[in-house]
Amino acid sequence: NAGVTQTPKFRVLKTGQSMTLLCAQDMNHEYMYWYRQDPGMGLRLIHYSVGEGTTAKGEVPDGYNVSRLKKQNFLLGLESAAPSQTSVYFCASRGVSYNEQFFGPGTRLTVL
Amino acid sequence: GESVGLHLPTLSVQEGDNSIINCAYSNSASDYFIWYKQESGKGPQFIIDIRSNMDKRQGQRVTVLLNKTVKHLSLQIAATQPGDSAVYFCAEGSNYKLTFGKGTLLTVNP
Repeated sequence: NAGVTQTPKFRVLKTGQSMTLLCAQDMNHEYMYWYRQDPGMGLRLIHYSVGEGTTAKGEVPDGYNVSRLKKQNFLLGLESAAPSQTSVYFCASRGVSYNEQFFGPGTRLTVL
Repeated sequence: GESVGLHLPTLSVQEGDNSIINCAYSNSASDYFIWYKQESGKGPQFIIDIRSNMDKRQGQRVTVLLNKTVKHLSLQIAATQPGDSAVYFCAEGSNYKLTFGKGTLLTVNP
């Protein structure tokens, strides 16, 4: 099993550009999450999904959109990137029977 | 709002010593707590969890203690090794969401 994978690993955007981050998991997990991590801070929840076709806002959802069209994939979109969105983005997934969230390797995004 | 915080941002120990990383939490309604380890350039890795109705849980070389009276969580690492050098996060969970603390950097000196 590959676990949780994220693409791309790195990306540089100009202010105003758009992009989509892809998260995929092969563990048949119901729950999926997108976090951002800034220097000296813990992870903050952007959006999450409790099942295929459902999404919900987390702690810092502004400027982001998500979609969960397939159970194994969770997409994070930035419609108009801003420098404040420069961060490392982590995707995670979790099954219904236990508490552990499994994390992907992260995407480092820089917005100039 | 509710928050999870750490007493010490950095901790430096000698190889072979025991390490104790502390965490204060404020949401008494949290159902469970998790400790994660994050190495440089990688995603967080699960270490151990504990449910709110427990006081102590042990894993391989690690022990988590939960004191609900003072809302305090600690991670003890026995015989700390250089490979334990990383940032350690505590997180509190309710339903299916986690709230993370800011992390403690553990440095193990040979």
